[in-house]
Amino acid sequence: DAKTTQPTSMDCAEGRAANLPCNHSTISGNEYVYWYRQIHSQGPQYIIHGLKNNETNEMASLIITEDRKSSTLILPHATLRDTAVYYCIVRVRTGANNLFFGTGTRLTVIP
Amino acid sequence: DVKVTQSSRYLVKRTGEKVFLECVQDMDHENMFWYRQDPGLGLRLIYFSYDVKMKEKGDIPEGYSVSREKKERFSLILESASTNQTSMYLCASSPWTSGSAETQYFGPGTRLLVL
Repeated sequence: DAKTTQPTSMDCAEGRAANLPCNHSTISGNEYVYWYRQIHSQGPQYIIHGLKNNETNEMASLIITEDRKSSTLILPHATLRDTAVYYCIVRVRTGANNLFFGTGTRLTVIP
Repeated sequence: DVKVTQSSRYLVKRTGEKVFLECVQDMDHENMFWYRQDPGLGLRLIYFSYDVKMKEKGDIPEGYSVSREKKERFSLILESASTNQTSMYLCASSPWTSGSAETQYFGPGTRLLVL
């Protein structure tokens, strides 16, 4: 199973871009990279996912390196409501639909 | 928007009680999941179901059972609650896909305290 490594915590000034890194050096060719976040006392919220190409949606952008061994989630204009724990997840098993959540990165957006 | 609801946000039970946690989703998803979340351990999968009346054990099924009689509803049962089952319980659902890509949608969670 591919594992992910993320920094334990990060700070970001309000209005600036937040760049959250993730290493997944053992990712295999058919595994996707997912990002979720969890705001305090709430369930995890899906943000974005990708396989090889960079992806963008209304919440964030996902940049995946060419060798797919790492990725970066970008929140272009962080707000106080983006303060949360961000999880980088690599899909573990095809068919079993299991998502392995690690300990994530605690992002604090500072006014 | 996908909506996953859980019957209670907070629950206090006594050791030995039978506990039912209910989860309902409104998007006709085939797959449903129960996780528990504990500090420092992240989310751990207890059970999941990919169809009505079907269930599969996750990583930590001991002490739990599940029931899926209807597609939209997935219940987690603690037959005899113990203090080490004090935790945040999260339900999720996802549509069936033939490929590797999948998005799970989570409920708000139930914080269970067993005394």
